[in-house]
Amino acid sequence: AQSVTQLGSHVSVSEGALVLLRCNYSSSVPPYLFWYVQYPNQGLQLLLKYTSAATLVKGINGFEAEFKKSETSFHLTKPSAHMSDAAEYFCAVSAGDDKIIFGKGTRLHILP
Amino acid sequence: GAVVSQHPSWVICKSGTSVKIECRSLDFQATTMFWYRQFPKQSLMLMATSNEGSKATYEQGVEKDKFLINHASLTLSTLTVTSAHPEDSSFYICSALAGDGSYEQYFGPGTRLTVT
Repeated sequence: AQSVTQLGSHVSVSEGALVLLRCNYSSSVPPYLFWYVQYPNQGLQLLLKYTSAATLVKGINGFEAEFKKSETSFHLTKPSAHMSDAAEYFCAVSAGDDKIIFGKGTRLHILP
Repeated sequence: GAVVSQHPSWVICKSGTSVKIECRSLDFQATTMFWYRQFPKQSLMLMATSNEGSKATYEQGVEKDKFLINHASLTLSTLTVTSAHPEDSSFYICSALAGDGSYEQYFGPGTRLTVT
């Protein structure tokens, strides 16, 4: 079975500061890992995905994530936060059987 | 990029009535679509997997007779909430599986259902 744990339901960073959203996964098979962003009353947009290729994955809007098997982590980072980054972020895992299991989400607040 | 639409984007219905939500893949064919439910400030909960031409597979705890899913074509899946009650009020999101082996799901914009 697969599961995802996102540490911190709310994260606040100052504009221009580093963004770090934590995600740890559990999977009995090599996982596919995803980060999605959701703006209020909207669907989900894929930021990036890991599918067993490069461990450092670059996504849209300047985000990237690093797959660390030894730590079972897939943390999301962005060097410099922008006000427009304020949203809900979901880490997700799939075993490749089509189903995606989502974490509980982390709301990112950007402080001016 | 691949686009998934949902209709309606929001709907208000009276308790006891049924409401249908459509999910369409606009520029690709999707043999598999998924239906999720999201409560306010919570994560997405997978309700069911919809496969074209066959019966949907429901997750544990989801009433298949209450949430009817029909995937009649490669671009359309529908979710019908039957005999809706206020506790069915939620944000319903569908996704369509890319058919290129990437296991990437493209998400619709969601449908806000309010049952009065």
